[in-house]
Amino acid sequence: AQSVAQPEDQVNVAEGNPLTVKCTYSVSGNPYLFWYVQYPNRGLQFLLKYITGDNLVKGSYGFEAEFNKSQTSFHLKKPSALVSDSALYFCAVTRRDDYKLSFGAGTTVTVRA
Amino acid sequence: EAGVAQSPRYKIIEKRQSVAFWCNPISGHATLYWYQQILGQGPKLLIQFQNNGVVDDSQLPKDRFSAERLKGVDSTLKIQPAKLEDSAVYLCASSLEGTVSSYEQYFGPGTRLTVT
Repeated sequence: AQSVAQPEDQVNVAEGNPLTVKCTYSVSGNPYLFWYVQYPNRGLQFLLKYITGDNLVKGSYGFEAEFNKSQTSFHLKKPSALVSDSALYFCAVTRRDDYKLSFGAGTTVTVRA
Repeated sequence: EAGVAQSPRYKIIEKRQSVAFWCNPISGHATLYWYQQILGQGPKLLIQFQNNGVVDDSQLPKDRFSAERLKGVDSTLKIQPAKLEDSAVYLCASSLEGTVSSYEQYFGPGTRLTVT
């Protein structure tokens, strides 16, 4: 079985400050990891993925994530948050040849002006 | 490029009634998924199609839920009869087949179902 834990229900930061959203995972074999963002009344939008290669992955809107195999983590980061980054963020995991994503419960990010 | 289309966007029904949701995936996407997202939780996969065949329906409550993708393009998810606990957002997603990009799923806006 595979699973994702997002330990923080909410993250609050000031605009211009660094933003980190935490994610840990459990999966047999090599993980494929994803971050999605959900704005109110809209579907999930793909941000970035880790399949293989460089542990630091860059994605849309200035976001990046670092894969850490020893800590089974895939934290999402942005060096300077914007008010428009306020949304619900989901981490998801699967493995090779299994396209079924397992999602975390989500983290609500609020960036205050 | 048009995204994943879903309808209706909102639906309110009474318990024991039936309801159907429609999804049209991105053109050329062979794989289609239906997810259930209960408030405060992440999406949970209900069923996965590849073309018009079912790949995984292990989490679909088959006594009341059914889904089809007859021509390998659009899909319908049905609930009959609905229960209060079916209140959720139903998301449809699609992806390409056979490449690394097939792990990237594109989601529609969802249908918010309220069962009273």
